[in-house]
Amino acid sequence: GAVVSQHPSWVICKSGTSVKIECRSLDFQATTMFWYRQFPKQSLMLMATSNEGSKATYEQGVEKDKFLINHASLTLSTLTVTSAHPEDSSFYICMIGTDTQYFGPGTRLTVL
Amino acid sequence: SQQGEEDPQALSIQEGENATMNCSYKTSINNLQWYRQNSGRGLVHLILIRSNEREKHSGRLRVTLDTSKKSSSLLITASRAADTASYFCATDDTGFQKLVFGTGTRLLVSP
Repeated sequence: GAVVSQHPSWVICKSGTSVKIECRSLDFQATTMFWYRQFPKQSLMLMATSNEGSKATYEQGVEKDKFLINHASLTLSTLTVTSAHPEDSSFYICMIGTDTQYFGPGTRLTVL
Repeated sequence: SQQGEEDPQALSIQEGENATMNCSYKTSINNLQWYRQNSGRGLVHLILIRSNEREKHSGRLRVTLDTSKKSSSLLITASRAADTASYFCATDDTGFQKLVFGTGTRLLVSP
């Protein structure tokens, strides 16, 4: 199956800074990638659908200006958390695939 | 929210016992999947059941699907301490690629 990597695996930043998270598909060309967020002891919530070469589609309640998504190639999507605050601390997971889904290992963001 | 509901939220059992988790969802689906997540880690795919299937087995796992009730169950037989994890069901809305996850069940298996 496809291999999906995320970088970094964990990051700690100060409040007000921006953090970029990369999601790479190592052996699968993905026109669509999905970004999920998971707060402690909660389930995964879909944040947005990343579309290669076009704008991302955001789920209701997710601020598109705060969570910038860029899907510039078929193997890379990035999620930038702008002006991060402690409430943005979460586990961010990307996913690719249609009939079969492949998840990245996740990125744990801690905002101090 | 379209998120599915799972129950129980938490389940504590002894090794060797069976664990049953239930999932209810809200929309028409192509398939339903079950995932496991160890604390702070990524997701591990366990099993997929298609909408035209009613039951599926994989090792110690048994999954049922009732599309008329929009519900599914995951049975883990002869549980082991290593089965301790959170378990999530996930459905795909018909016509969409995205997965919608249930609220999850935290399973604790004590030796």
